[in-house]
Amino acid sequence: DTAVSQTPKYLVTQMGNDKSIKCEQNLGHDTMYWYKQDSKKFLKIMFSYNNKELIINETVPNRFSPKSPDKAHLNLHINSLELGDSAVYFCASSQAGRLSGANVLTFGAGSRLTVL
Amino acid sequence: AQKITQTQPGMFVQEKEAVTLDCTYDTSDQSYGLFWYKQPSSGEMIFLIYQGSYDEQNATEGRYSLNFQKARKSANLVISASQLGDSAMYFCAMRLPLNAGNMLTFGGGTRLMVKP
Repeated sequence: DTAVSQTPKYLVTQMGNDKSIKCEQNLGHDTMYWYKQDSKKFLKIMFSYNNKELIINETVPNRFSPKSPDKAHLNLHINSLELGDSAVYFCASSQAGRLSGANVLTFGAGSRLTVL
Repeated sequence: AQKITQTQPGMFVQEKEAVTLDCTYDTSDQSYGLFWYKQPSSGEMIFLIYQGSYDEQNATEGRYSLNFQKARKSANLVISASQLGDSAMYFCAMRLPLNAGNMLTFGGGTRLMVKP
């Protein structure tokens, strides 16, 4: 049973389209995240979300929006896709509370988005 | 602002030898946590080891150990007895303060290649 699952694994789309990436975790975690990994492998936090609070990295364009129907899901919606949005997007989850050796980020396998 | 730096874009190591991957950080907080993750070519992110700023001993997990030098603000990963399966990207990360979101900020990564 996959702990953090993302769909789709690959997504190819045209500029200007709107797309979503789904994420589900079965770990009972309280907090979920989205990270973006660019072509140079640099990982950048986009959002963290628990049932109380959404924290948005200030550099994330407002075309990106996380949507959480329940504690186990955090989907990523992207409007008006641009070439620069091409990247691998990782979903992750953790328990609420301070991240530590006992409370680590568990990542999904990533979703590779290609914008043509 | 918190910052993580990995100065080695790529490294080679001979199989069965030890290798050190460098990580320096910058923070004004007294309480912080440092993490290392491995990303093999398959793309998933695998947690390796954690060091808390107040931990008096260097963390160890099997063949992985962390050379934590607080005064120098460095948290280097040491892999002993390298194996071919250790070839991967390695990321150092630091926990942001709770008031900035319970998130990890990552360094740029080091690509390790193990030679047979």
